[in-house]
Amino acid sequence: AQSVTQPDIHITVSEGASLELRCNYSYGATPYLFWYVQSPGQGLQLLLKYFSGDTLVQGIKGFEAEFKRSQSSFNLRKPSVHWSDAAEYFCAVGAPTSTSGTYKYIFGTGTRLKVLA
Amino acid sequence: DGGITQSPKYLFRKEGQNVTLSCEQNLNHDAMYWYRQDPGQGLRLIYYSQIVNDFQKGDIAEGYSVSREKKESFPLTVTSAQKNPTAFYLCASSINGRGARNEQFFGPGTRLTVL
Repeated sequence: AQSVTQPDIHITVSEGASLELRCNYSYGATPYLFWYVQSPGQGLQLLLKYFSGDTLVQGIKGFEAEFKRSQSSFNLRKPSVHWSDAAEYFCAVGAPTSTSGTYKYIFGTGTRLKVLA
Repeated sequence: DGGITQSPKYLFRKEGQNVTLSCEQNLNHDAMYWYRQDPGQGLRLIYYSQIVNDFQKGDIAEGYSVSREKKESFPLTVTSAQKNPTAFYLCASSINGRGARNEQFFGPGTRLTVL
């Protein structure tokens, strides 16, 4: 069965430090992968997505992610974290539903990022 | 501005009562989704709809019901049969549900608390 694992529940970094959030997926075919960010009490905003091609994808707010098929990973990175990046981050994979030809997201459990001033 | 609206933002319900959460989108999207979010569990799919007058159960549909009478609206009813309804509920839409690559757009959510 398809699944997404985010092994880190909480991560704390200092402002200006680099960041890497881990995401591992289990999916038999070519995965369609997404990273979303959620501020407290808000909806989710798409940061970036991977479908095919270049394995390093750029997103909004200075984030990037690298797809590594051999490791079944899609880790999110940012070279220098800002205090406003404090939020919860979700990795997701597009997967087929039980209805033929339709798809849904499977989400990881999220990583909450805290940024120290 | 195009987007998804959910109302109310906060909702309180007495145990044993049904309650309906509103979701409206003006993105002209065919597909709409309801998710439940609990701390440490990520988002879980409750129901989804690919087209008007059609919807399917997601992974945790028990105790919930939906309707899709209009393209722009996908209300969720939390019934008294839902044993643990206190959660944050998110509505989403995508241009259609026939591609794994289709981005989902999310509303701001409704926090439901059962008293």
